[in-house]
Amino acid sequence: AQKVTQAQTEISVVEKEDVTLDCVYETRDTTYYLFWYKQPPSGELVFLIRRNSFDEQNEISGRYSWNFQKSTSSFNFTITASQVVDSAVYFCALSELGNQGGKLIFGQGTELSVKP
Amino acid sequence: KAGVTQTPRYLIKTRGQQVTLSCSPISGHRSVSWYQQTPGQGLQFLFEYFSETQRNKGNFPGRFSGRQFSNSRSEMNVSTLELGDSALYLCASGPTRVEQFFGPGTRLTVL
Repeated sequence: AQKVTQAQTEISVVEKEDVTLDCVYETRDTTYYLFWYKQPPSGELVFLIRRNSFDEQNEISGRYSWNFQKSTSSFNFTITASQVVDSAVYFCALSELGNQGGKLIFGQGTELSVKP
Repeated sequence: KAGVTQTPRYLIKTRGQQVTLSCSPISGHRSVSWYQQTPGQGLQFLFEYFSETQRNKGNFPGRFSGRQFSNSRSEMNVSTLELGDSALYLCASGPTRVEQFFGPGTRLTVL
């Protein structure tokens, strides 16, 4: 069964703190994709990153970094030196290829609040 | 490139009515997927279309239907609305079935 778990429902930090959002997934497929999306109060889901199951290299983009570990089925997201504009709900998602392609399974989301 | 557009952005309907939501994908994108977001159930997959064919369907009743046109634009229809259908309906498009870029959503309120 496919499942994505974001155990942290809400996180509150003070500006400039580093914060890590956890994501654990379950899948029986050997080929799959993992995603992170950001949802600000406006409601639109903003794409942040996509990784495929064969690429375990960590990725850094500015203040954002992602750590993908197949051994623990985790795809964690770290924001370095957080800013107030980072306040949003963040979703981790899984997509399996094969006949399930095109379907994203989302976690419940982590609401990040960055206070000045 | 313009992003995914969804119309209308807000909609208020009463129980028993039907509603049609529209999604215009990013130019060149052939895949369109629909999701329902509610506070209780989170983000749930409704269906996916690629080249005018429904490729995948989520676990929703038959009152929820959709279609995709030759220009990749998509519509979803909900008949016999129920209070529980109140939600943010999000459409996503992609050049392939893997990539998905979301629109701003249509917020449907059923009274």
